[in-house]
Amino acid sequence: QVQLIQSGAEVKKPGASVEVSCKASGYTFSGYYMHWLRQAPGQGFEWMGWIDCKSGFTNYGQKFQGRVTMTRDRSISTAYMELSGLTSDDTAVYYCAKTGDVYRPYEGPWGQGTLVTVSS
Amino acid sequence: DIQMTQSPSSLSASVGDRVTITCRASEPIANYLAWFQQTPGKAPKSLIYAASSLQTGVPSNFSGSGSGTDFTLTISGLQPEDFAIYYCQQYNSYPFTFGGGTKVE
Repeated sequence: QVQLIQSGAEVKKPGASVEVSCKASGYTFSGYYMHWLRQAPGQGFEWMGWIDCKSGFTNYGQKFQGRVTMTRDRSISTAYMELSGLTSDDTAVYYCAKTGDVYRPYEGPWGQGTLVTVSS
Repeated sequence: DIQMTQSPSSLSASVGDRVTITCRASEPIANYLAWFQQTPGKAPKSLIYAASSLQTGVPSNFSGSGSGTDFTLTISGLQPEDFAIYYCQQYNSYPFTFGGGTKVE
């Protein structure tokens, strides 16, 4: 079955960077776009960007331009999201989710979420 | 960015009740609208896409309707496992945006 398994929780200091991974299984990794979203505690969802898992082309949300980098390793069906210059406002649960094309709904299960806590 | 406004933000209901949640987009999005269900500590689960199409495995007591700017999620015959937070999301244009959520309690 389709699964997206994310890396574990992280605690980071302000100004640091964090990398979250999302390992895919049960489908053809390169046939999809992997999106990254986040949900601050008790808040709604915020879309961060996507990566085309075939070409590696990325599209980042304007809010995150210059701070986020999305990559993928097709050999191990894993997508990565790195966020730099962390502040307390970046404390959130980060999710990966896939779509079949650029303007398509999310398909199948999301990753289980990765809690990133930014605290001095 | 397209703003998605859900109402109500919360509602009280009982098992067996019919529940209706509305979602309004700040500009037309055709039928590029999805609904999600989230329970505490869990990732969202997709219920509906294209405004009214049920995801595989979603019970038939869930239904969606609407087009353009106004959309509705209806739960007919609320079940104990349906007490959760529901979100709408538009995928008509980037950035994809979500409603603020409706807590069914």
